[in-house]
Amino acid sequence: EPEVTQTPSHQVTQMGQEVILRCVPISNHLYFYWYRQILGQKVEFLVSFYNNEISEKSEIFDDQFSVERPDGSNFTLKIRSTKLEDSAMYFCASSGTEGARGEQYFGPGTRLTVT
Amino acid sequence: GNSVTQMEGPVTLSEEAFLTINCTYTATGYPSLFWYVQYPGEGLQLLLKATKADDKGSNKGFEATYRKETTSFHLEKGSVQVSDSAVYFCVQGAGGTSYGKLTFGQGTILTVHP
Repeated sequence: EPEVTQTPSHQVTQMGQEVILRCVPISNHLYFYWYRQILGQKVEFLVSFYNNEISEKSEIFDDQFSVERPDGSNFTLKIRSTKLEDSAMYFCASSGTEGARGEQYFGPGTRLTVT
Repeated sequence: GNSVTQMEGPVTLSEEAFLTINCTYTATGYPSLFWYVQYPGEGLQLLLKATKADDKGSNKGFEATYRKETTSFHLEKGSVQVSDSAVYFCVQGAGGTSYGKLTFGQGTILTVHP
């Protein structure tokens, strides 16, 4: 069964460093998403991406964040200068239909720890 | 804005007990509603969904009915198993022209003992 994969599973970085979180969505999907979950808090929407551009983003997704689909398979989230409060589990998801009424398939997550 | 509130956990049950996890939502318009589940060490998986009022979603013995009048989508199962131990998330889709932003409840940890 096709699945969304994410690498690495755990990333430790120092404050101020850049990190890139990687995701491989399901191959025929067209809509891509990033969410995050700070420990003890809700899963929060960050950004959606379709047709090589951002469709929607939350207030959390400020200038420090960017997304890219550098080739036909990867979907990346970059944090330019990490802060302590960026420590969270980051989930990638993809959807084959307009996601509002369709199913989103989630990856296992990348745990980011900023020290 | 949209929000989802679900029953505080953790919930601990014995095998074959009846399960209810309450979920209510606030929304403008008519969102789709979902229950996602996260088993230990795995990603979030869709458990069931309902796209309009009075729809009942069901899967693996779990059921939830989209109640517009009470803005609720409670999850039920008549007889839980140890393998149902997981974190359960009530989730709302944005609907309308949104490109699929999901709004999550806080998650409920379910532990089922033999």
